[in-house]
Amino acid sequence: GQQVMQIPQYQHVQEGEDFTTYCNSSTTLSNIQWYKQRPGGHPVFLIQLVKSGEVKKQKRLTFQFGEAKKNSSLHITATQTTDVGTYFCADDRGSTLGRLYFGRGTQLTVWP
Amino acid sequence: NAGVTQTPKFQVLKTGQSMTLQCAQDMNHNSMYWYRQDPGMGLRLIYYSASEGTTDKGEVPNGYNVSRLNKREFSLRLESAAPSQTSVYFCASRRTEQYFGPGTRLTVT
Repeated sequence: GQQVMQIPQYQHVQEGEDFTTYCNSSTTLSNIQWYKQRPGGHPVFLIQLVKSGEVKKQKRLTFQFGEAKKNSSLHITATQTTDVGTYFCADDRGSTLGRLYFGRGTQLTVWP
Repeated sequence: NAGVTQTPKFQVLKTGQSMTLQCAQDMNHNSMYWYRQDPGMGLRLIYYSASEGTTDKGEVPNGYNVSRLNKREFSLRLESAAPSQTSVYFCASRRTEQYFGPGTRLTVT
């Protein structure tokens, strides 16, 4: 069945460097959600992308949905130590009652 | 609003013991979920309930049972705990996005 593949699994950056995580699928994604989990915490919703080619920004975070809706990305500009955590993408397959299909996450470490 | 609450926060069990993890949400959401999280494995869905009175298996249901007690509460039961069930368990509820509880850290020795 359709899988949501997320890369890379781990990323280590120096503070101030940029960071990108990618969410890919062999089939069309429906609605992509992004979550952040701080170390020792629980996942927290960041944003949802719905439309093909959609781009949304939250301060230093830029979220994109591919034109073919088969991939999505999260880009952080000039990382800070507060960005440390694991970032997950998830596809809802068009259902607001059903399950979300999560990628395995990208664990970001930021060195000061 | 408390959001999604889970009890207990920590638990240590011996192999073969049983226990129930409790979850409640006060956001009037129809859908509720149980996940386990192990290092490097992401979030794996155990069971979910799309609405009161219904439950469905996720990716890793073996060794677990669930009860959707009412719209607010969704419990997860381990009938005979095994060391492989050592994990962090998250409950979540959803309207559009998912809201996660703080988690239960379970160790089975």
